[in-house]
Amino acid sequence: GAVVSQHPSRVICKSGTSVKIECRSLDFQATTMFWYRQFPKQSLMLMATSNEGSKATYEQGVEKDKFLINHASLTLSTLTVTSAHPEDSSFYICSARVRRGSYNEQFFGPGTRLTVL
Amino acid sequence: GDSVTQMEGPVTLSEEAFLTINCTYTATGYPSLFWYVQYPGEGLQLLLKATKADDKGSNKGFEATYRKETTSFHLEKGSVQVSDSAVYFCALRMAGGGNKLTFGTGTQLKVEL
Repeated sequence: GAVVSQHPSRVICKSGTSVKIECRSLDFQATTMFWYRQFPKQSLMLMATSNEGSKATYEQGVEKDKFLINHASLTLSTLTVTSAHPEDSSFYICSARVRRGSYNEQFFGPGTRLTVL
Repeated sequence: GDSVTQMEGPVTLSEEAFLTINCTYTATGYPSLFWYVQYPGEGLQLLLKATKADDKGSNKGFEATYRKETTSFHLEKGSVQVSDSAVYFCALRMAGGGNKLTFGTGTQLKVEL
């Protein structure tokens, strides 16, 4: 099946630093990837849609200058949390879209736990 | 806006017990409905889906029926196993929504011997 990896799985950083999270499709190419954020006991919230070779599309309320997304190749999208603060601590999940006949399916990565001290 | 509500967990069951995880939705149109499962340390995996009213999705012994009249998509399994322990997410996707999924909060299932 389609496998999506994320790196790192956990990261702890100091307030004010920037953190980069990678999302890779391991055995397929993905023109579209998605970034989600999940708070404890809450649902996954879509942050942005990442399109290979073009700018990401951000959901309402998501600061594009804070959450930089780069989809430089068909197998890699990166999310950079700039000048991180404790309120950015969360679980970040990416997914990649695959065409299955007439249907698009998303395959999810295992997530990255970010803790900002 | 569109939303999904599912029962809070954790749900703790003995092996071979019957499972129901409730899911209801609010949507302006007729969404496709999904159940995803997340095993510890892994990404979400599609468990089953239904694209129109009265459709039944099924996989690995799990079933869910798209009920338009009650706007529900409850997940059921007749006999759970320890290996079913995971977090289960109900989700919807509107047609023409750019593949955007709207998720519920997830329900943790713990199955004990």
